Amino acid sequence: DAKTTQPPSMDCAEGRAANLPCNHSTISGNEYVYWYRQIHSQGPQYIIHGLKNNETNEMASLIITEDRKSSTLILPHATLRDTAVYYCIVRYGGATNKLIFGTGTLLAVQP
Amino acid sequence: GAVVSQHPSWVICKSGTSVKIECRSLDFQATTMFWYRQFPKQSLMLMATSNEGSKATYEQGVEKDKFLINHASLTLSTLTVTSAHPEDSSFYICSARVYGTGLSSHEQYFGPGTRLTVT
Repeated sequence: DAKTTQPPSMDCAEGRAANLPCNHSTISGNEYVYWYRQIHSQGPQYIIHGLKNNETNEMASLIITEDRKSSTLILPHATLRDTAVYYCIVRYGGATNKLIFGTGTLLAVQP
Repeated sequence: GAVVSQHPSWVICKSGTSVKIECRSLDFQATTMFWYRQFPKQSLMLMATSNEGSKATYEQGVEKDKFLINHASLTLSTLTVTSAHPEDSSFYICSARVYGTGLSSHEQYFGPGTRLTVT
């Protein structure tokens, strides 16, 4: 699986947009970008995924660069409950379908 | 959304004993279930992939005889930590993929985790 690089931590003010970057320079054409988050001592929660186009759902937006070597997860109006570790994962849609977690970014939303 | 449960949510056992952790998909059928382990302040590490009715596939470095996985039905997988030792103390998380999903599906859901402490 392609590897991802994320900053270890970020701060964001409550009510502001949180922009979490991810580099995946070795991604191949049939690999998807997934974002999950893990609130302390809980199981990971799916946020969003994409292949080439930008995606938006009720939780967040995903912006993927044209060359697909990096992406940004955007939480439009961060709240204290968004404080969590955010994982950017590249996954091949093959038979194994394994999600391999990297180190993630600890997002701390400040009041 | 789909719900995955784990039981127990936490367990304390003595060194040398075995512990069984259950993972259930409550409102969907799961072709494949995954077991992860997470040590404090670390990321999730995939231990094994479990397919219903067949033997689990273990990741490199994971002892299959120590971590027994059974996936007897489309809604239940179990992880048994045999002869547990203090170094096995960890947060164990299961995940389930929805039966019949295609290559682009995101439908993989995680349980709340089980905290194992071996004394």
